[in-house]
Amino acid sequence: GEDVEQSLFLSVREGDSSVINCTYTDSSSTYLYWYKQEPGAGLQLLTYIFSNMDMKQDQRLTVLLNKKDKHLSLRIADTQTGDSAIYFCAEASGGYNKLIFGAGTRLAVHP
Amino acid sequence: GAVVSQHPSRVICKSGTSVKIECRSLDFQATTMFWYRQFPKQSLMLMATSNEGSKATYEQGVEKDKFLINHASLTLSTLTVTSAHPEDSSFYICSARVESAQGGYTFGSGTRLTVV
Repeated sequence: GEDVEQSLFLSVREGDSSVINCTYTDSSSTYLYWYKQEPGAGLQLLTYIFSNMDMKQDQRLTVLLNKKDKHLSLRIADTQTGDSAIYFCAEASGGYNKLIFGAGTRLAVHP
Repeated sequence: GAVVSQHPSRVICKSGTSVKIECRSLDFQATTMFWYRQFPKQSLMLMATSNEGSKATYEQGVEKDKFLINHASLTLSTLTVTSAHPEDSSFYICSARVESAQGGYTFGSGTRLTVV
């Protein structure tokens, strides 16, 4: 079945870049997503990438997709304390294109 | 942009009672909605896919008689947790597919259910 995996925790210094990695299993996924969740809140779409793209950049966010290895990464440049949150990788899979989420990576930004 | 309004945001109920959670699409028609459950510090688990006018499709291990889903109109889907127990306490989030929205999905703000 579908499965999405990501590392659980990342700690970075303010101003450095953060790289969050994700692997997925469904090679037929059309879209892959990165969502941000702050404590007690819903999900905020950060960015997404279509499966025929290798890279997408949006301001401080860069998404890299290696379709051969089924590997997705999110790079946050100049990480700020406001970026501290949980980041979820997700793939759209199945007949209804349901979103399957990874376990989430908790990003902690320290001064 | 496409917005899904989810209510209530927080509910506390007694064991054995039922709780209804609503998700409304405010400025678009949602043919398909998804219901997720999230335990503390864990990921979102898809519970079911709700389609307007037809029966919901439940994921393996989700009790359809306990988690009743109704998608009677193109703008409203409801999740009713029947005979709630403390182990049903969780964060429930709905999502709708929106072809015109960036990325194609929009999420409700979630409902924190606490069963005492």
